[in-house]
Amino acid sequence: GENVEQHPSTLSVQEGDSAVIKCTYSDSASNYFPWYKQELGKRPQLIIDIRSNVGEKKDQRIAVTLNKTAKHFSLHITETQPEDSAVYFCAAWVNNAGNMLTFGGGTRLMVKP
Amino acid sequence: EAQVTQNPRYLITVTGKKLTVTCSQNMNHEYMSWYRQDPGLGLRQIYYSMNVEVTDKGDVPEGYKVSRKEKRNFPLILESPSPNQTSLYFCASSLIRGSNEQFFGPGTRLTVL
Repeated sequence: GENVEQHPSTLSVQEGDSAVIKCTYSDSASNYFPWYKQELGKRPQLIIDIRSNVGEKKDQRIAVTLNKTAKHFSLHITETQPEDSAVYFCAAWVNNAGNMLTFGGGTRLMVKP
Repeated sequence: EAQVTQNPRYLITVTGKKLTVTCSQNMNHEYMSWYRQDPGLGLRQIYYSMNVEVTDKGDVPEGYKVSRKEKRNFPLILESPSPNQTSLYFCASSLIRGSNEQFFGPGTRLTVL
């Protein structure tokens, strides 16, 4: 089955700096890659996603890049703010008989004011 | 309001005492799933359902059962809970399958003594 690895597990940045979280996946048939943000004590919520026919997608301060050859994708947050502090999860979905969404282990991002 | 609800939100029980965690969505979503969240392991899929009467195992199905008799409900059943099932559980739904935004419930924190 699919395996998704996420790095780093914790990330501390100064307010205003950029943050990058990286994920790798194992199944080359994966074609949908969402990112979820989970604030303390809350449920995960989708912040951005990308499909395999696109190399990059941007939404204001958030961007995701996908390298299908290398089987990795990354989340980029620019001009970080304290409210960006949360746990971020990447995930991968494979379009085959198994309709499972496989998540990475999560990255705890701390933005210091 | 479009939402996914879970009950109970918190549960402390003892080994072997059967329990059910309910999940309901009001968005007419076809796809529903259960995840457990453990520190450092991210979100792991337990079971998912593509539609009424269609369920399938995720990554960690041992010790769990599900049913999907109605489109809106997807209960998680632990027939004989054990301490290693102590975890935070999330129900989620999406429009058609895992390659769409997952809407998560508020979570159920389960402790098995």
